[in-house]
Amino acid sequence: AQTVTQSQPEMSVQEAETVTLSCTYDTSESDYYLFWYKQPPSRQMILVIRQEAYKQQNATENRFSVNFQKAAKSFSLKISDSQLGDAAMYFCAYRSRTLLNRDDKIIFGKGTRLHILP
Amino acid sequence: DTEVTQTPKHLVMGMTNKKSLKCEQHMGHRAMYWYKQKAKKPPELMFVYSYEKLSINESVPSRFSPECPNSSLLNLHLHALQPEDSALYLCASKSGANVLTFGAGSRLTVL
Repeated sequence: AQTVTQSQPEMSVQEAETVTLSCTYDTSESDYYLFWYKQPPSRQMILVIRQEAYKQQNATENRFSVNFQKAAKSFSLKISDSQLGDAAMYFCAYRSRTLLNRDDKIIFGKGTRLHILP
Repeated sequence: DTEVTQTPKHLVMGMTNKKSLKCEQHMGHRAMYWYKQKAKKPPELMFVYSYEKLSINESVPSRFSPECPNSSLLNLHLHALQPEDSALYLCASKSGANVLTFGAGSRLTVL
């Protein structure tokens, strides 16, 4: 069974600085998706970034980028120029892409709460 | 329309009540999900509907009863709940790109 591990329950970063959130996962599959979702306090969960395992290039969305290391099964999220609005719980998530796998689960890590210090 | 709409936003119910949570999306997504989320925890999968058929039931107690009347609508019927069922209930739909779009949730309190 696949697992997703986020080893940092909480982190803090000064506004305008850069922070990296770590995520590791365990799977025997070779083709899958990885995601970072953001859930601000009392607000909706939204997708931050998505990576397909067969793509070697790291995904980037504006100030958010990932460092995807497939062999190490690592998928960290880097937030550059941190802003107060980045304060949220961040969840790393995994989904199989195996064609024969009809299991439609998306597996979430336990989350990292990110605080932005003004 | 790129949203998942959940109603009600807040619900307080007694242990003998029957109530329902509703979820609606008009993005043409054919997979819809119910998750339960406790404070400071990740979402826990409850049910998945794929093409209006229940495809995953994560051993959820029968006091939770899902229903998918059509491709845009997902309900969660609640009956004889326990105080430990108090949580945020999240609905999500999945695009062809395998991205989940979440609703804002229904915060349930069971007295």
